Amino acid sequence: DIQLTQSPSSLSASAGDRVTITCRPSQPVSKYLNWYQQKPGQAPNLLISTTSTLQSGVPSRFSASGSGTYFILTISSLQPEDFATYYCQQSYSTPHTFGPGTRLDIK
Amino acid sequence: QVRLQESGPGLVKPSQTVSLTCNVSGGSINSTRHHWSWVRQQSGKGLEWIGHIYYTGATYYNPSLQSRVRISVDTSKSHFSLTLSSVTVADSAVYYCARDERFVAMDVWGQGTTVTVSS
Repeated sequence: DIQLTQSPSSLSASAGDRVTITCRPSQPVSKYLNWYQQKPGQAPNLLISTTSTLQSGVPSRFSASGSGTYFILTISSLQPEDFATYYCQQSYSTPHTFGPGTRLDIK
Repeated sequence: QVRLQESGPGLVKPSQTVSLTCNVSGGSINSTRHHWSWVRQQSGKGLEWIGHIYYTGATYYNPSLQSRVRISVDTSKSHFSLTLSSVTVADSAVYYCARDERFVAMDVWGQGTTVTVSS
């Protein structure tokens, strides 16, 4: 199985801040790395697929990049609705593992 | 647009088998572009991929659950199902179904159904 490591595990930030979250697969996953946002009591929501494809309706302040074994999610200017938990997930090989999550809190 | 809705018993006793169903509406479960997936989340924990199924019935399971899990599809009823046997307290979780665009990502999710394993 491919293991995903996310850092940081938690992060406190203020509205307007720029934040980055990293995801490191234990093996190369080519471009097949996705990012989800989950708010309390809600299902995960796909933000970005295959490294950098922004999903319809997702604000442009979200962006992502990377390849192989190093990927980054960036939020350019945090908005109040962005405080949530973020998960990376690889769809390169089964099982399609998730990272442990990064909890983003209001400072 | 496609909507997914899970249903299940809510409460199940240890050692029993739990069956969950995900109803697919607003789109075709016979899609050649998609797998149909199950993901679970224990309270306060992260996401665990359980497995997925193609409309043909081809399945892929997480090895950690493979001996106890079965995913099936009924295209005539536009739903797919998860069966988990010999459940323990550790199987208590919110279970989500999701549409998984092949080689891409899970782009549509149900709202989740809670399974509690308790005697």
